[in-house]
Amino acid sequence: SAVISQKPSRDICQRGTSLTIQCQVDSQVTMMFWYRQQPGQSLTLIATANQGSEATYESGFVIDKFPISRPNLTFSTLTVSNMSPEDSSIYLCSVGVHLRAEETQYFGPGTRLLVL
Amino acid sequence: SQQGEEDPQALSIQEGENATMNCSYKTSINNLQWYRQNSGRGLVHLILIRSNEREKHSGRLRVTLDTSKKSSSLLITASRAADTASYFCATVITGGGNKLTFGTGTQLKVEL
Repeated sequence: SAVISQKPSRDICQRGTSLTIQCQVDSQVTMMFWYRQQPGQSLTLIATANQGSEATYESGFVIDKFPISRPNLTFSTLTVSNMSPEDSSIYLCSVGVHLRAEETQYFGPGTRLLVL
Repeated sequence: SQQGEEDPQALSIQEGENATMNCSYKTSINNLQWYRQNSGRGLVHLILIRSNEREKHSGRLRVTLDTSKKSSSLLITASRAADTASYFCATVITGGGNKLTFGTGTQLKVEL
């Protein structure tokens, strides 16, 4: 199984600023994903981070607000831009892996963000 | 809207008892997976069941899938305090690539 780390683990930020979250995997993976989990809620997919091309965003999420980089097969970043208190959430990255010939995902520990 | 709805939203049981959580979904799926999340941390993959399977076991976990009813259940037998966590079902929708769509989750509390 892949070992995934995220930095920072948590942060408190002022509104109007931006934060970049890093996701590092210990092996090369094709698919990487970014999720948001608002307080007390389930996970919502923000985008799929594609290596060598632009990320694919889900409905309701845009590149200007959540720019994503994927420079290689082991690393990705998510930036939360021009933050507001509504962006306070846990942000999680995941990687796609094959399990019993099926696709599944393993998750990083998450980044807990509080915007004041 | 989210693919999966789970019930109950919260469940409190005594150690040693069994815990059952249910998940319903809306469209055709390739597989359904269950994850555990401790205290708002990362998710841990528990078990995957394919659309052509009806039941799977892993240790104290038993998962069933009824595609005719578009529902699944997760049973944790002989629960322990360490099982206290949030449990989420997630589906891979047919034709949806490998994207996961998560349910609303069940908060399980196992008391000593």
